[in-house]
Amino acid sequence: NAGVTQTPKFQVLKTGQSMTLQCAQDMNHEYMSWYRQDPGMGLRLIHYSVGAGITDQGEVPNGYNVSRSTTEDFPLRLLSAAPSQTSVYFCASSYLIRPYEQYFGPGTRLTVT
Amino acid sequence: GQQVMQIPQYQHVQEGEDFTTYCNSSTTLSNIQWYKQRPGGHPVFLIQLVKSGEVKKQKRLTFQFGEAKKNSSLHITATQTTDVGTYFCAEPMDSNYQLIWGAGTKLIIKP
Repeated sequence: NAGVTQTPKFQVLKTGQSMTLQCAQDMNHEYMSWYRQDPGMGLRLIHYSVGAGITDQGEVPNGYNVSRSTTEDFPLRLLSAAPSQTSVYFCASSYLIRPYEQYFGPGTRLTVT
Repeated sequence: GQQVMQIPQYQHVQEGEDFTTYCNSSTTLSNIQWYKQRPGGHPVFLIQLVKSGEVKKQKRLTFQFGEAKKNSSLHITATQTTDVGTYFCAEPMDSNYQLIWGAGTKLIIKP
């Protein structure tokens, strides 16, 4: 199993550009989520999904969109990139039964200039 | 909203010294998880504690859950360079399957 995969690993955007961060998992996890982690900081939840067709906002959703058309994929779209969105983005997934142990992807390091 | 407070933010130790990080909540925790994130890496699940007063060991790592289930700790004995990283606690929420994360404690080994 590949686990949770994310692409790209690194990305540089100019202010105002849009892009999609890809996330896929092959563990048949119902729950998927996106976090951002700023230098020296903890994890902040952006959006999450408990199944195909169902998404909800986390702590810091502004400037980001998500969709969940399949169990496996959960892309994160940046609508109009801003320097404040410079961060490391992690995708994570888990089952909807305890203990809700989350499996993380390797992350995407995004810089917005 | 619900929060899990984690201290300290950083801990500098000499290799071979011990390390401890603490998580506290104002409410009773249903259970608590611990994750490790190596520098430049992603968080990796270490363990989950469920029972009041529970103690679990993984080699040099000892995890404890308080009797009142309002606090938890991770203690590393005789730190090694491989222990370097940030340790996070997290509480799973049954209501929406999310994790409420502590801010993390960064273990730094002095040169």
